[in-house]
Amino acid sequence: GAGVSQSPRYKVAKRGQDVALRCDPISGHVSLFWYQQALGQGPEFLTYFQNEAQLDKSGLPSDRFFAERPEGSVSTLKIQRTQQEDSAVYLCASSVRDRVNEQYFGPGTRLTVT
Amino acid sequence: QKEVEQDPGPLSVPEGAIVSLNCTYSNSAFQYFMWYRQYSRKGPELLMYTYSSGNKEDGRFTAQVDKSSKYISLFIRDSQPSDSATYLCAMTGGYQKVTFGTGTKLQVIP
Repeated sequence: GAGVSQSPRYKVAKRGQDVALRCDPISGHVSLFWYQQALGQGPEFLTYFQNEAQLDKSGLPSDRFFAERPEGSVSTLKIQRTQQEDSAVYLCASSVRDRVNEQYFGPGTRLTVT
Repeated sequence: QKEVEQDPGPLSVPEGAIVSLNCTYSNSAFQYFMWYRQYSRKGPELLMYTYSSGNKEDGRFTAQVDKSSKYISLFIRDSQPSDSATYLCAMTGGYQKVTFGTGTKLQVIP
């Protein structure tokens, strides 16, 4: 079927606004990951879900970042009161259970905070 | 010091050359070693992964892992202009978190 999809592809927010980024994983993939990729850098781990359970959120940079996956499929990454340093590409990846070494990535959402 | 170090390049080679891309790491707990390719404004695409030490070949691509030296390599034979992209190494102990290198930008000149 289809790969991982993300929306929107591009988002411009004014500093202080809240944003919500959506990820649709590959059907049947129980594991879902969020990453932040700054320009010229590799992806940095943010958080991980197995089904609806958030098992690791150690990479979330502040309490302004919040992720959820209430029904174990679609996930939303929310950033409150956006700051300029939040400007980055936010990548979502999914995998079958316990296959963290075989993650399939979406195209990312490019967030620009002005 | 970062857990995973990767030369950002850029690396420019003529078409048909053999390309060698490398990463070093410091965390002995890493067991899986992956290589991703990322085209501009796209998400990373998994090329191949290796478990523990050894070599793995897939078409024109060969991955090598030397755990004793904490050094991994990706070789691309008969490089093509379509191989021009950023190559990311990534590693994990097998649990949730994957650690990526910064990526090496490769350009293959026709």
